[in-house]
Amino acid sequence: DTAVSQTPKYLVTQMGNDKSIKCEQNLGHDTMYWYKQDSKKFLKIMFSYNNKELIINETVPNRFSPKSPDKAHLNLHINSLELGDSAVYFCASSQATGVRGRSEKLFFGSGTQLSVL
Amino acid sequence: GQQLNQSPQSMFIQEGEDVSMNCTSSSIFNTWLWYKQDPGEGPVLLIALYKAGELTSNGRLTAQFGITRKDSFLNISASIPSDVGIYFCAGQPQFQGAQKLVFGQGTRLTINP
Repeated sequence: DTAVSQTPKYLVTQMGNDKSIKCEQNLGHDTMYWYKQDSKKFLKIMFSYNNKELIINETVPNRFSPKSPDKAHLNLHINSLELGDSAVYFCASSQATGVRGRSEKLFFGSGTQLSVL
Repeated sequence: GQQLNQSPQSMFIQEGEDVSMNCTSSSIFNTWLWYKQDPGEGPVLLIALYKAGELTSNGRLTAQFGITRKDSFLNISASIPSDVGIYFCAGQPQFQGAQKLVFGQGTRLTINP
């Protein structure tokens, strides 16, 4: 069983379109994330939700809107897609370690490769 | 914001050789994590380090949390073809939340059989 699953795997679309990527985790984790990996493989956090509440919102255009209907799901909707949005988007989840301040280990999905033409 | 400098950016080695890569920062980190990414997949956690000076092994992999808390290294001994991939260091900056990880630029490992 896949721990963190995201769909679709590949997404090819025209500039200006609106698209969504879905993510589900069956690990029982409280926290979910969206990361963006650019063409140079650099990974950067976009958003993080803890129990459906937004806790991290990095400098991301308003065209990106995450939605968490429950703690096992975190979807990403992107409006008015631009060429620069082309990248691989990774969903991830983590669970509190129980040790105050200790970093949580991330479990990543297999990514959604978005190509904007 | 905090940045991690990971080196080397790429390595081309012969099967059986040992590999060493490192990550440095100008500021203090509370946690160091090492991930591996295979083509078309997401990063997978290899080793987690939580204390300065900590040395942890996972099979042929060994990683250490630097004494200054500003660096970490990962060693792979006796490399095999399945070690090919991109290795990322990630760290939790001091005074940042447990969910806020910063990633290095990655080290791409290629192995000649």
